[in-house]
Amino acid sequence: GAGVSQSPRYKVAKRGQDVALRCDPISGHVSLFWYQQALGQGPEFLTYFQNEAQLDKSGLPSDRFFAERPEGSVSTLKIQRTQQEDSAVYLCASSLVTSSYNEQFFGPGTRLTVL
Amino acid sequence: QKEVEQDPGPLSVPEGAIVSLNCTYSNSAFQYFMWYRQYSRKGPELLMYTYSSGNKEDGRFTAQVDKSSKYISLFIRDSQPSDSATYLCAMTNSGAGSYQLTFGKGTKLSVIP
Repeated sequence: GAGVSQSPRYKVAKRGQDVALRCDPISGHVSLFWYQQALGQGPEFLTYFQNEAQLDKSGLPSDRFFAERPEGSVSTLKIQRTQQEDSAVYLCASSLVTSSYNEQFFGPGTRLTVL
Repeated sequence: QKEVEQDPGPLSVPEGAIVSLNCTYSNSAFQYFMWYRQYSRKGPELLMYTYSSGNKEDGRFTAQVDKSSKYISLFIRDSQPSDSATYLCAMTNSGAGSYQLTFGKGTKLSVIP
């Protein structure tokens, strides 16, 4: 079956522009996570959804970052007024349930470069 | 100090060697321990996960967790050039509700034919 897909795969933005990154999770997966992976680093947690509810946004680095999942499926991560320090790979992951540990399946990521 | 420490390498070994990768952590609440493999320009893929302390073997891969020392390891036997990738340790605690993963920095491994 299809895995997690993300679009665009690459995005170049000028400093100050707004960007929107899309994630299509595996069909039927309840949980959706966003991570940020800077060059040479491991992924760092940004935010988590259970269905359409955003239950944890403790990792969002500033109020310029906003995520939504209005129908409990596709999710969008929006970054307003991008800064150079926002340059990173943004990874989306989904998992089946959250009643116990379940494998998180990762998408290929969106590589954001802010000039 | 980060919650999870991992030597980023790079690590270069000849084909057929035994590879040892490890991470240390500081949060005693972590209960689930994972190893992910990440190829260049790809997302991480799960190799193995272990709950609490103990060993787990899957083919050429063995994962070990020592909670008393807050130390986890991944061993790769008979390493192959196709094993060349970045290996990320990750962990999470039970009962947290979200099961967000905390990752190490990743170790870049090259297996030379």
